[in-house]
Parts: sequence; C-alpha cells; structure tokens
Amino acid sequence: AQSVTQLDSQVPVFEEAPVELRCNYSSSVSVYLFWYVQYPNQGLQLLLKYLSGSTLVKGINGFEAEFNKSQTSFHLRKPSVHISDTAEYFCAVSRAPTGGGNKLTFGTGTQLKVEL
Amino acid sequence: DAGVIQSPRHEVTEMGQEVTLRCKPISGHDYLFWYRQTMMRGLELLIYFNNNVPIDDSGMPEDRFSAKMPNASFSTLKIQPSEPRDSAVYFCASSRQGPGTTIRSPLHFGNGTRLTVT
Repeated sequence: AQSVTQLDSQVPVFEEAPVELRCNYSSSVSVYLFWYVQYPNQGLQLLLKYLSGSTLVKGINGFEAEFNKSQTSFHLRKPSVHISDTAEYFCAVSRAPTGGGNKLTFGTGTQLKVEL
Repeated sequence: DAGVIQSPRHEVTEMGQEVTLRCKPISGHDYLFWYRQTMMRGLELLIYFNNNVPIDDSGMPEDRFSAKMPNASFSTLKIQPSEPRDSAVYFCASSRQGPGTTIRSPLHFGNGTRLTVT
C-alpha cells in the first residue's frame, strides 16, 4: 500500500514571495505522484503530475514539483505566489503502472494562505 | 465537456433518514470513484467502479453505505439510515484508462455534496 505525508497543515506566505509545500510518500512499488488544489466549496483540480521521465514537472498556474526518489519526496514550489493561490493543496500517490484507473491515496492537505 | 456533475450540492437531513447522492461522470471515462472528505480523516476512498462494475468497496465504512452504477453515465451513493457522523463532503471522480495500464486521463472531481445529518 502507498501513503502520503504532508507535514505542514498550514503555510502562511506574503504575496510575491516563494513557497514550498512539502510532500513525502511511502511505497514498496513504483509510484505516480500528483498535486491537486481545492478552492473553497469546489472539487479538486489537478495541478501537475509525475508519471515518468524528467523529475522536474511543471503544472498550471506557475507551479512546479520535483520528484526525488532517494528522499521519497515530491515537493511543490512556486517562485512568486499570488492572492488567488490561497487554497488547500493535496499531494496524492498511486501505484505505477496502475491497473486501477488511477486510484489515488491522498495526503491530509496543506492550507496555503497568501497575505498582502 | 461539463465535467463530473454531482447532485445535490447540499443535503441536510435528520438522523435515521435515507440519503441518496448522485453522480454523472465525464463521458467516455471508464472509472468512477466515491471519496469522502472530513476534517478529521481527510480524503478517504469509499468505493470505485470500472465499466460500471464495483472493483473495491473496502473503504465503505458500514453496511449502511451502498453504491451502484447502473450505467456508464450515472452512479449513486446511498446511506440508510444516516447518522450524524456521516456528515462530510462526498466527492465523485472519474478517469479514463488507456491501453494496458497507462493513464489516459487523471482523476477529475465533481464539486461535491455537503451532507449534514442532524
């Protein structure tokens, strides 16, 4: 089975500052990794995904993440945040290759609060 | 594409009543998932279907919970009888798998149903 740990439940940051949201995973098999964002009263939207290839993946809204197999991490970064990035961010993992239609296990989420 | 559509958006009911949540997945997607989100437990996978067939229901908390997918465009999650601890946001999500084990599309979520059981 796979598991995901998001150590930071809340991350406050000032607008235009850089941010990193941490994600560590545990798995005995190869994995696919994902970051999703949830705005208030909405469902989750995919930010980016790592399936294979380059360990640095770029997503929407200027976010990027780096897969580090040795450290079992998949941290999310943005060089300059905007007020509109305030949301909850979820890291998720599935086994690779997946035979389950992308069955995901989610972390507990990190609330990003961008302040002026 | 309209995305994954869930109804109702909000449901308030009294303990002991039957609750039915509905989901229309994205057309062409062959996997459908039901998740529950609470502050205490985060996002939990309840059950998922492939081509309308339930594959894994190990996350369904109790026999009070049941899910069906009578066709490729509709699924229901039913709670009977409901209890206050069932209060949560319930999400439906769908995805499409490519040939073999490749991912054709990632998981797409609906906007959820916020259930309150008093």
